[in-house]
Amino acid sequence: GAVVSQHPSWVICKSGTSVKIECRSLDFQATTMFWYRQFPKQSLMLMATSNEGSKATYEQGVEKDKFLINHASLTLSTLTVTSAHPEDSSFYICSFPGTGATEAFFGQGTRLTVV
Amino acid sequence: TQLLEQSPQFLSIQEGENLTVYCNSSSVFSSLQWYRQEPGEGPVLLVTVVTGGEVKKLKRLTFQFGDARKDSSLHITAAQPGDTGLYLCAGVGGSEKLVFGKGTKLTVNP
Repeated sequence: GAVVSQHPSWVICKSGTSVKIECRSLDFQATTMFWYRQFPKQSLMLMATSNEGSKATYEQGVEKDKFLINHASLTLSTLTVTSAHPEDSSFYICSFPGTGATEAFFGQGTRLTVV
Repeated sequence: TQLLEQSPQFLSIQEGENLTVYCNSSSVFSSLQWYRQEPGEGPVLLVTVVTGGEVKKLKRLTFQFGDARKDSSLHITAAQPGDTGLYLCAGVGGSEKLVFGKGTKLTVNP
């Protein structure tokens, strides 16, 4: 399967600071990418769809000014959590859709802890 | 809004037992996927089912897609401690978005 590299795997930051998470596909290109958030013992919740060369599409209830998404190239998308607060602490995961939308390739996830 | 109801939410069994996880929806999905997720890692795809009535086997795991493509099941035979993890079903909705079930936390005790 395709390889998706997500970095960092974990990060601890102070309240009010910003954190950038990178998601990179190593062996294929995609115009679309998805960012998810997962709270402990819960399933994945789609936050936004990242579109290469255009603005991201955010799901209802997700603040676009707080979660900045940049899909700079066909192999790289970044999620920046701005002015982080403790309630933003979560597990963030990116995914690239496979061909024909029959599968998705996930990054390893980033555990964000805001103190 | 397409929703996937996954059950049971938690399952704790002894090694060697069989189990079934269900994923149901009122919506039709073009395909449905099953993932397994370990703590602190991203989900890993186990299988994709596309055709209504399709059955796929992956060693001790058997996946079935309902005839109407609204539901699916995962059956594990003779579970082992290494099967422990979070199992997620996901349906492909509009715009290639994946709709996830809430997951089944499986614990297999030695």
